[in-house]
Amino acid sequence: SQKIEQNSEALNIQEGKTATLTCNYTNYSPAYLQWYRQDPGRGPVFLLLIRENEKEKRKERLKVTFDTTLKQSLFHITASQPADSATYLCAPQNVGGSYIPTFGRGTSLIVHP
Amino acid sequence: EAQVTQNPRYLITVTGKKLTVTCSQNMNHEYMSWYRQDPGLGLRQIYYSMNVEVTDKGDVPEGYKVSRKEKRNFPLILESPSPNQTSLYFCASTQGPLGEQYFGPGTRLTVT
Repeated sequence: SQKIEQNSEALNIQEGKTATLTCNYTNYSPAYLQWYRQDPGRGPVFLLLIRENEKEKRKERLKVTFDTTLKQSLFHITASQPADSATYLCAPQNVGGSYIPTFGRGTSLIVHP
Repeated sequence: EAQVTQNPRYLITVTGKKLTVTCSQNMNHEYMSWYRQDPGLGLRQIYYSMNVEVTDKGDVPEGYKVSRKEKRNFPLILESPSPNQTSLYFCASTQGPLGEQYFGPGTRLTVT
């Protein structure tokens, strides 16, 4: 069956360091992969979308990589700040069938001042 | 302002009492969907709609109904709520099949 794995343990880092979050998937062949941020009790907010033919995508302090051979996406936040503390969800999308992305359970990031 | 709204934001009800959670978007999006989010289980899709009068089941549709009579609205109906439907519910919309999803603020439902 299809599976999306994100670290269930919270990632604790110091302010100013780079946070790296991992999303692994199995039994998927996603053409796209999205990342979202979710704050407690609030709806997810879209951050980035990366296509299968893109190795890397950047947006300000965010960087996403997509390795279809490893079936993995990495999400990096450089120069992290306490305001970056949130849960980050990955969502692979197959082309065809239901368009709706399936979400991983998310990884909680805590940035300490 | 582009947004997805949901009402009510909080609801406590009793088993078996029918309820509707409304969802509305002002972005003229074709695609809308409903999710529930439970601790340890993440976001799970309940139903989705690709256009007016076009709906389909997601991963956990049992106990829910939806309708899409207008493009902007996508209500979620619980005909006979049960305690296992206690959850945080999110509505989302997107313009195209592979576009970013805009989520509503969530509805926290408790069924006793």
